[in-house]
Amino acid sequence: GENVEQHPSTLSVQEGDSAVIKCTYSDSASNYFPWYKQELGKRPQLIIDIRSNVGEKKDQRIAVTLNKTAKHFSLHITETQPEDSAVYFCATPDSGGYQKVTFGTGTKLQVIP
Amino acid sequence: ETGVTQSPTHLIKTRGQQVTLRCSSQSGHNTVSWYQQALGQGPQFIFQYYREEENGRGNFPPRFSGLQFPNYSSELNVNALELDDSALYLCASSLRGVNNEQFFGPGTRLTVL
Repeated sequence: GENVEQHPSTLSVQEGDSAVIKCTYSDSASNYFPWYKQELGKRPQLIIDIRSNVGEKKDQRIAVTLNKTAKHFSLHITETQPEDSAVYFCATPDSGGYQKVTFGTGTKLQVIP
Repeated sequence: ETGVTQSPTHLIKTRGQQVTLRCSSQSGHNTVSWYQQALGQGPQFIFQYYREEENGRGNFPPRFSGLQFPNYSSELNVNALELDDSALYLCASSLRGVNNEQFFGPGTRLTVL
């Protein structure tokens, strides 16, 4: 099965700075890479995703980059704001023909005003 | 907010009891996945249902079982509850296919005493 590693586990940044979270995966056949944001006590919400046919995707202050050769993908948040504080999870589906999604262990981001 | 709903919101049970959790999928979605999220961890895949049949299972014992109904809603049943079953149980609905986005419900918080 898929193995997903996520770093760092915690990240503190000053408001306005950038934050980067990185994940590595094991299944070379994986071709879809979503990122979820989970605020305390709430459901995970998809914030951005990327498919293997592109190397980068951007949506306002959030971007995701993918390196299929190295089997890693990263979440980049620029101009961080206090409301960005949450736990962020990377994930990737197994390539086993159904939609099992393996999540990373999460990164707790704290944006300090 | 997604159209995925779950009930109940919170539940307290004692060890050895049985519990049933419910999930209504988003309109147009035909696949439901269930996840267990222990405190401070990422969601762990339990199983997935498509066309009323189990379609993939994670590393969970047989006392975790489920159903999917013709309207695509789903139930998660857990027998012989153990203390370690205390967690947030999330369901996610999606449209069958490759790498389709999963939409999470708000979750059911289960506490086993």
